[in-house]
Amino acid sequence: KNEVEQSPQNLTAQEGEFITINCSYSVGISALHWLQQHPGGGIVSLFMLSSGKKKHGRLIATINIQEKHSSLHITASHPRDSAVYICAFSPNTGNQFYFGTGTSLTVIP
Amino acid sequence: DTEVTQTPKHLVMGMTNKKSLKCEQHMGHRAMYWYKQKAKKPPELMFVYSYEKLSINESVPSRFSPECPNSSLLNLHLHALQPEDSALYLCASSQDHRGNGYTFGSGTRLTVV
Repeated sequence: KNEVEQSPQNLTAQEGEFITINCSYSVGISALHWLQQHPGGGIVSLFMLSSGKKKHGRLIATINIQEKHSSLHITASHPRDSAVYICAFSPNTGNQFYFGTGTSLTVIP
Repeated sequence: DTEVTQTPKHLVMGMTNKKSLKCEQHMGHRAMYWYKQKAKKPPELMFVYSYEKLSINESVPSRFSPECPNSSLLNLHLHALQPEDSALYLCASSQDHRGNGYTFGSGTRLTVV
């Protein structure tokens, strides 16, 4: 059983479109992270959430603790947003860090 | 300083070589991690150091040897690697064992020839 599920696995969008990536998890968490990884590159942390909503530029992340669900939204998408977006979390107990399988986003000009 | 710095960024080594990967952070984080990431896969945890002591070893072969000389530094010593060990090696740190403030380095791209 996977502790974290992401959808969709792959996503292609036209420049300017609004994008949503979803993440569901099955255990109690201390924080949920949204990460970005460009092809061949390292991982950049976009958000760390334990409740509510956070916004940074065109990126918005929300989390519903009761439903064990988080979403990452990208408004006015741009080709430079093309990357893999990974949902990950640290559970309430232990220091393991669980990763989703990632969503590969391609934004076409 | 809010970064995790990894060196080198790229490394090519032969199967008989000995090399080391370095990871450094100056955020006062007390937990540090090594991950291995193959193409199109999520990172896989290798080792966790908490307060400079090895707390998790995810059944990693002995040709990978971690070392934590102090709270700011984490090394990964490599010896007699195989071509299938070629991957992106990521270091991360967090404030404590609960994962607060999780921060990733940009990785070392390792190729074993």
